[in-house]
Amino acid sequence: DAKTTQPPSMDCAEGRAANLPCNHSTISGNEYVYWYRQIHSQGPQYIIHGLKNNETNEMASLIITEDRKSSTLILPHATLRDTAVYYCIVRVAVGLSGGSNYKLTFGKGTLLTVNP
Amino acid sequence: GAVVSQHPSWVICKSGTSVKIECRSLDFQATTMFWYRQFPKQSLMLMATSNEGSKATYEQGVEKDKFLINHASLTLSTLTVTSAHPEDSSFYICSARGNTGELFFGEGSRLTVL
Repeated sequence: DAKTTQPPSMDCAEGRAANLPCNHSTISGNEYVYWYRQIHSQGPQYIIHGLKNNETNEMASLIITEDRKSSTLILPHATLRDTAVYYCIVRVAVGLSGGSNYKLTFGKGTLLTVNP
Repeated sequence: GAVVSQHPSWVICKSGTSVKIECRSLDFQATTMFWYRQFPKQSLMLMATSNEGSKATYEQGVEKDKFLINHASLTLSTLTVTSAHPEDSSFYICSARGNTGELFFGEGSRLTVL
């Protein structure tokens, strides 16, 4: 799986949008961008994933650059409960060659602190 | 979404004893389960991959005789830390993969070895 680079920490004011960047310059054509988060002392939680189009769900939006070398996770209205470590991971999609046999490798992630 | 449950959520044991942690997929069959370990302020580190009915595949540097993994059914995998020592104190997390291929994580189990 391609390596990713994220800032170690970020701060955000409650109610504001939190924009978390991720660089994945070595991503290959069949690799998706996945985002997970881990609230302190809990297991990781899936947030969103995408290939090349921007994606949105009830939790967040994912913006992927046209060259796919970087992406941004957007939490539109951050709350105190969004304070967590956010992990950006790239991996082969399920169903593609090797995709069903992938294993997730976590980097160091970004510690997002939402302040009141 | 799919639920993966771990038990116990926390355990304290004496040095030299063995501890078993269970990981269950509650509403789906998991052909593959993964075990991670996480030390304070560090990221998750993959320890091993277990497939139902076969031996686990361990990552480099993980002692298979110390961390025994059993995946006897499609809904249960166990991790046994044998002869635990204080340096084994950590947060152990499992994840399970169902037929859709997506991964779901357990809540984690915190082990403290005195």
